[in-house]
Amino acid sequence: DSGVTQTPKHLITATGQRVTLRCSPRSGDLSVYWYQQSLDQGLQFLIQYYNGEERAKGNILERFSAQQFPDLHSELNLSSLELGDSALYFCASSVGQDSQETQYFGPGTRLLVL
Amino acid sequence: AQSVTQPDIHITVSEGASLELRCNYSYGATPYLFWYVQSPGQGLQLLLKYFSGDTLVQGIKGFEAEFKRSQSSFNLRKPSVHWSDAAEYFCAVGDLNAGNKLTFGGGTRVLVKP
Repeated sequence: DSGVTQTPKHLITATGQRVTLRCSPRSGDLSVYWYQQSLDQGLQFLIQYYNGEERAKGNILERFSAQQFPDLHSELNLSSLELGDSALYFCASSVGQDSQETQYFGPGTRLLVL
Repeated sequence: AQSVTQPDIHITVSEGASLELRCNYSYGATPYLFWYVQSPGQGLQLLLKYFSGDTLVQGIKGFEAEFKRSQSSFNLRKPSVHWSDAAEYFCAVGDLNAGNKLTFGGGTRVLVKP
C-alpha cells in the first residue's frame, strides 16, 4: 500500500458525459501527479500540482482539467468523454517537486467509456 | 525531448533463471532514472532509482540496475526469478525542466514458467 488513495476504483459511463476522479496523496506530500495508461499511448504524464498550484503540464486534453485543494487532495475532471478516453488513470504523490523525489502511485481508477 | 525505449515487449523466463530487462533513454543532461513494477490490477511500485554516484543500483525484491552513460542504458537485472516476479516492468526518466514529470517506456511484460 503506497498510501495514495484513489476513488472510485472503476467507472463506467457513456460518451459525452463528465466524470471526476479523486486522489488523496500520502500524508505530508505536497505534489500530486496525474498519469493516463492506455493500450495505444502507454503511460503518459498529464499534469502536476504542487501545494495547490499547477507545476507542469503534459499531454492533457483541453476537455480535461484538474485542481488541488487546500487539503492537498486532487481531482481530475474529464468532460465530453470519448471512447478513446477509456484508460487507467493513476495519481501519484511526492513530498516536494524536486526531480529526485520518488513518486508513489495509487492503485488507479479504471474508466470505461461506452 | 526525453524518451525511453524498452525493446522487449514480452519476456518469458523459467523460475530460478536470471532476468535482464533492457532500457534505453534519450535525455540531454544527466538523467534521473527509475524502474517501476506493475502487478496485475495494481498501481506502480518503485523498484529502484538512479540519480548519481555508483552506477550499480540495488533495489527491492532482489533487483539491481546498472547505468551506462556510454550506451544510454539502464538495464534491470535479477539473478534468480521467482513466480511472484511475473508483472509488467516500466523504465522511466525524470525531467528536471518540467517539474517532476516522469516519461515512461512502453513496458516489458515478464512471464515466469514453473
